[in-house]
Amino acid sequence: AQSVTQLDSQVPVFEEAPVELRCNYSSSVSVYLFWYVQYPNQGLQLLLKYLSGSTLVKGINGFEAEFNKSQTSFHLRKPSVHISDTAEYFCAVRSRGQGAQKLVFGQGTRLTINP
Amino acid sequence: DGGITQSPKYLFRKEGQNVTLSCEQNLNHDAMYWYRQDPGQGLRLIYYSQIVNDFQKGDIAEGYSVSREKKESFPLTVTSAQKNPTAFYLCAVAPFGEQFFGPGTRLTVL
Repeated sequence: AQSVTQLDSQVPVFEEAPVELRCNYSSSVSVYLFWYVQYPNQGLQLLLKYLSGSTLVKGINGFEAEFNKSQTSFHLRKPSVHISDTAEYFCAVRSRGQGAQKLVFGQGTRLTINP
Repeated sequence: DGGITQSPKYLFRKEGQNVTLSCEQNLNHDAMYWYRQDPGQGLRLIYYSQIVNDFQKGDIAEGYSVSREKKESFPLTVTSAQKNPTAFYLCAVAPFGEQFFGPGTRLTVL
């Protein structure tokens, strides 16, 4: 079984500042990793994913994340945020095995950008 | 979304009533999922289906039921046995590992 911990429930940041949203996971098997963004009253949109290869993954809207296997982390970063980045962000994992593609989600981090 | 439709967007229900939430997709994917979202709790899996006429319980299936008679449709019924049904419900399809989500239905029990 897998579990995901997002270490911050809320992160306030000033516009144009850098931001890091932290995600740690636990799993006894190899995993795929994902970050999703959710704007108010909408569904989730995939920001980026790590399946294999380079541990630095670039996604949409200028976000990137780094997979660190030894620390079981997949932190999300952006060098300069905008007001439009205000949203809730979810980290998720699933096992690499065959069969059901069940995702396990963290509890979310609410990112608030202040002018 | 974009190929995944959930209706209605907002739904109000009286206590003791069953209600069915619609999820339709035109992406031709086999796997479909239903999640429930509550503030501060992330997403929790209710039911999932990997193929027509087959579905499996997720982590919080009690008080819910589903059917999968067609590949493009995976409706969720919230029964009167669900004690706290007020929540945001999200449907997803999973083509290659990642999941793509519909816009969601917000259910409120009055």
